[in-house]
Amino acid sequence: GAGVSQTPSNKVTEKGKYVELRCDPISGHTALYWYRQSLGQGPEFLIYFQGTGAADDSGLPNDRFFAVRPEGSVSTLKIQRTERGDSAVYLCASSPGTSGIDEQFFGPGTRLTVL
Amino acid sequence: AQSVTQPDIHITVSEGASLELRCNYSYGATPYLFWYVQSPGQGLQLLLKYFSGDTLVQGIKGFEAEFKRSQSSFNLRKPSVHWSDAAEYFCAVVSGYSTLTFGKGTMLLVSP
Repeated sequence: GAGVSQTPSNKVTEKGKYVELRCDPISGHTALYWYRQSLGQGPEFLIYFQGTGAADDSGLPNDRFFAVRPEGSVSTLKIQRTERGDSAVYLCASSPGTSGIDEQFFGPGTRLTVL
Repeated sequence: AQSVTQPDIHITVSEGASLELRCNYSYGATPYLFWYVQSPGQGLQLLLKYFSGDTLVQGIKGFEAEFKRSQSSFNLRKPSVHWSDAAEYFCAVVSGYSTLTFGKGTMLLVSP
């Protein structure tokens, strides 16, 4: 079956612009996660959804970052007033959500470059 | 807070030789531990996981890992490395309810 997909695969924007990154989880997965991976680092947690609600958004670095999942499926990560330091690969993962230790299935990521 | 340390940024192994990638964790209770592999242009793929029970866990692609509570370690091993194993490997621990805290990764290079 289809895995987690993310669009776009690459996004180049200018400092100060607004961007949206999309994640399509595996069908039926209720849990969805966003991570950010900077060069030479491991992924860092941003936000976790269970269904439509954000169960944990403690990883969002500041109020320029926001994510939604209005119908409990597709999620959009939104970044306002982008800064060069936001350049990274943004990873999305989904899991069945039946247990806190379900395997998370990762998408290929969106590489964001802020010029 | 939970944390994971992967002391080796990169490791070079000859094809056919054995491999051990180190992972140390910091966690008060019994940790839930994972190893993921990331190939260029690919998403993270789960190799294996440890929740409880047998401390030696088997994974995909011939990998195994051993949980050692006394050493706070969860090292990844493979008896014979193939050129296709060249990739970046991440150790992770569950923190909070289900989010993952990753190490910085170890890049594996395989020489002919």
